Amino acid sequence: AQSVTQLDSQVPVFEEAPVELRCNYSSSVSVYLFWYVQYPNQGLQLLLKYLSGSTLVKGINGFEAEFNKSQTSFHLRKPSVHISDTAEYFCAVSSSGGSYIPTFGRGTSLIVHP
Amino acid sequence: DAGVTQSPTHLIKTRGQQVTLRCSPKSGHDTVSWYQQALGQGPQFIFQYYEEEERQRGNFPDRFSGHQFPNYSSELNVNALLLGDSALYLCASSFQMNSPLHFGNGTRLTVT
Repeated sequence: AQSVTQLDSQVPVFEEAPVELRCNYSSSVSVYLFWYVQYPNQGLQLLLKYLSGSTLVKGINGFEAEFNKSQTSFHLRKPSVHISDTAEYFCAVSSSGGSYIPTFGRGTSLIVHP
Repeated sequence: DAGVTQSPTHLIKTRGQQVTLRCSPKSGHDTVSWYQQALGQGPQFIFQYYEEEERQRGNFPDRFSGHQFPNYSSELNVNALLLGDSALYLCASSFQMNSPLHFGNGTRLTVT
């Protein structure tokens, strides 16, 4: 079984500042890792995924994440945030070679202030 | 290219009643997964359907059941509703159980 811990429930930041949303996972097998974003009253949209290969993954909207196997982490970063990035962000893990059924963390609310 | 569509968008039911939620997968997808998202929580996996069969199930009671039709659309049924069933129910589709999930906008169920 896998589990995900998102270390911050809320991250406030000013517009154009950099941001990092932290995610740690636990698994006894190899994993796939995902970040999803959820805007108010909407479903989840895939930001980026790590399946294999390069540990630095680039996604949509200028986000990127780095897979660190030794620290079992998959932190999400953006060098300069916009007001429109205000949303709930979910980290998720699934076992590699499985059926892509991700286990989600509890989410981090990113609040971008002008 | 139509994405995942869910209906209805909102629903209010009374405790003890039964409810059916519907989902049409993204074009080209044949696998449907259902998740429950309580307020302030991450989505929790309910079950996954592929080739009209339930393939995997999360830790949900038998009151939660589903169906997949030949056109790949799916229904989620919940019997004997409890107040705790109030949540956003998300449908997600994928291809042959082997690709990242694409989510719909969900159905907000309120049980009073």
